[in-house]
Amino acid sequence: EPEVTQTPSHQVTQMGQEVILRCVPISNHLYFYWYRQILGQKVEFLVSFYNNEISEKSEIFDDQFSVERPDGSNFTLKIRSTKLEDSAMYFCASSEVGTTSSYNEQFFGPGTRLTVL
Amino acid sequence: GQQVMQIPQYQHVQEGEDFTTYCNSSTTLSNIQWYKQRPGGHPVFLIQLVKSGEVKKQKRLTFQFGEAKKNSSLHITATQTTDVGTYFCAGPLFTFNKFYFGSGTKLNVKP
Repeated sequence: EPEVTQTPSHQVTQMGQEVILRCVPISNHLYFYWYRQILGQKVEFLVSFYNNEISEKSEIFDDQFSVERPDGSNFTLKIRSTKLEDSAMYFCASSEVGTTSSYNEQFFGPGTRLTVL
Repeated sequence: GQQVMQIPQYQHVQEGEDFTTYCNSSTTLSNIQWYKQRPGGHPVFLIQLVKSGEVKKQKRLTFQFGEAKKNSSLHITATQTTDVGTYFCAGPLFTFNKFYFGSGTKLNVKP
């Protein structure tokens, strides 16, 4: 069964450093998402991406964040200068259709645990 | 801002008991989805409801979308230990592709 993959599974970084989290969405999916989940809390939407551009972004997704689809398979999230409060699990997800469609099943990857020291 | 709240936050049940979680949005949702997240795992899609008043069943799980499309519920009949996890409702505002997750209900089932 196709699945979303993410690398690395765990990233430890120093405050102020840049990190890039990588995702490989399911191959025939057109919509891509990044979410974060601080330990024990709810899943928070960061950004959605379609047709090689950002569709929507949340208040959390400020200038420190950027996303890119550098080739036909990878989807990346970059945090330019990490802060302590960026420590969280970051999930990538993908779907065939958009969230307002009548059937929008989002497939989540296993996540990258980011620890900022 | 947009809020999607769920109650209860935690629920501990004995295996075999029923369980219900309620989801309430501050604004109308175009559709609502439910996800399950096992401890240490990632969210897994369960179902999507689109129509006002819609009810869907999956084996022991019953999902309902409110008439005003601002609330939803998930009911599990005769819980099993495999039902353990956190259940999240989620949905978009009428804004395209901006997706809000509820606060989640953590279910623990004692054997």
